[in-house]
This record gives sequence, structure tokens and C-alpha cells, in this order.
Amino acid sequence: DAKTTQPPSMDCAEGRAANLPCNHSTISGNEYVYWYRQIHSQGPQYIIHGLKNNETNEMASLIITEDRKSSTLILPHATLRDTAVYYCIVRPYTGNQFYFGTGTSLTVIP
Amino acid sequence: DAMVIQNPRYQVTQFGKPVTLSCSQTLNHNVMYWYQQKSSQAPKLLFHYYDKDFNNEADTPDNFQSRRPNTSFCFLDIRSPGLGDAAMYLCATSRELIPRGRRQETQYFGPGTRLLVL
Repeated sequence: DAKTTQPPSMDCAEGRAANLPCNHSTISGNEYVYWYRQIHSQGPQYIIHGLKNNETNEMASLIITEDRKSSTLILPHATLRDTAVYYCIVRPYTGNQFYFGTGTSLTVIP
Repeated sequence: DAMVIQNPRYQVTQFGKPVTLSCSQTLNHNVMYWYQQKSSQAPKLLFHYYDKDFNNEADTPDNFQSRRPNTSFCFLDIRSPGLGDAAMYLCATSRELIPRGRRQETQYFGPGTRLLVL
């Protein structure tokens, strides 16, 4: 039972920042937001997760609004290899089952 | 490298002929999951094992079964595949099912097995 809404597709110029939004307006206070991506014909790959603070790792940054109803995944310098479907997932606190939403298909353009 | 392995990458079966997909892991994780992903759709959780405890999602058809003989291996059995069961089947693992304290439980996915039903 996905609890997230994402735009179906986005384009980004190579070398520019890619900002992928996600709406999770029904998120509960102790539920985490996870981001995964899936390159064509491969298994999903973990990117980043967060609760309420902004997070950054070597792949991306995650910005979560103060009311936690939405978040944005930022790929700071998109490359052609970042072309993939990006999934925003709200993980139930009571378990680790992931219910994927429809995702955003990101195309990085040369 | 520690990883989640799925073999074969492509599997062809006939309508109604039982088929088994396999998954193995070298991460020594307690939890193993099976997802079904149809063309242009998001992955859909079928069931998971926590150690030997099996947990089926409510809408997973009875045609799908699973076995976990030991920590490292998990199998997906489709008893009578229909044309609608053609999909990518993804195996994933996590160390625990429920997070403890601040530690989160990332899921690690295998490359998937693409099933074709003729």
C-alpha cells in the first residue's frame, strides 16, 4: 500500500542537479523515507533514507520538509549513468516491508 | 563481495508447468523477501521470511509458494504458471525486520530473474 506520489517522468541535463520530488502527506511520525533507484533490467539500488533531518551521502542529498509531508532527492551533478527509475518509499515502523510507489523515470540528457 | 545472487537471470517455462526460482545471499541476513515486478510497474512484495518464519502478503495468489531451507537460500515456487505471471522476480535481504533504535534496515536486492511463460 504505497503512501507516496511522484511525477512519472523528468529530464535533467548532464552535469546539472536533478531534483526529484515526492509527496507523502499521510506519513506517520516514526516512519522513514527511503529512496531507491532501478536502472533498466537491474535490481533496485539503495540511495539514501531519512526521518526528519536532511541527509547527505556520497550519492545524493535528501531534503525533508519540516511538516514531513514531502521530500526531495537531489543528485548534485547528474551523469548519463543516473538515468533510472527512482522510487520514494515510506517504510512502516512496524516492519521492513517496502511498498513501492510508481516512481519517477529520470532521463539524463547529454 | 557479499551479495544477493539470483539464478538464472532468465527463465522460460510453459503454461501450467511448475517452475522454481532461486536466491542466495552471502550477507548472513535474517530476512529474505520476494517481489514481483511486471513490465513498466513497480516491484510488488509477495512474501518474506524472517529466519524460518514465513509471512505472506494478503493479496499474494496461492499459486506462489516459497521455501527457505537455510539462512543462505530462498526459493520461489510457482505451481502452475499462467501467462499473467510473466515478470521480473526480485529477491532482497535485510539484516532485521524491525529497526532497533536508530539503526535502519536497508534492503539489498539481487539482479532479478526474468520469467517468460509460453
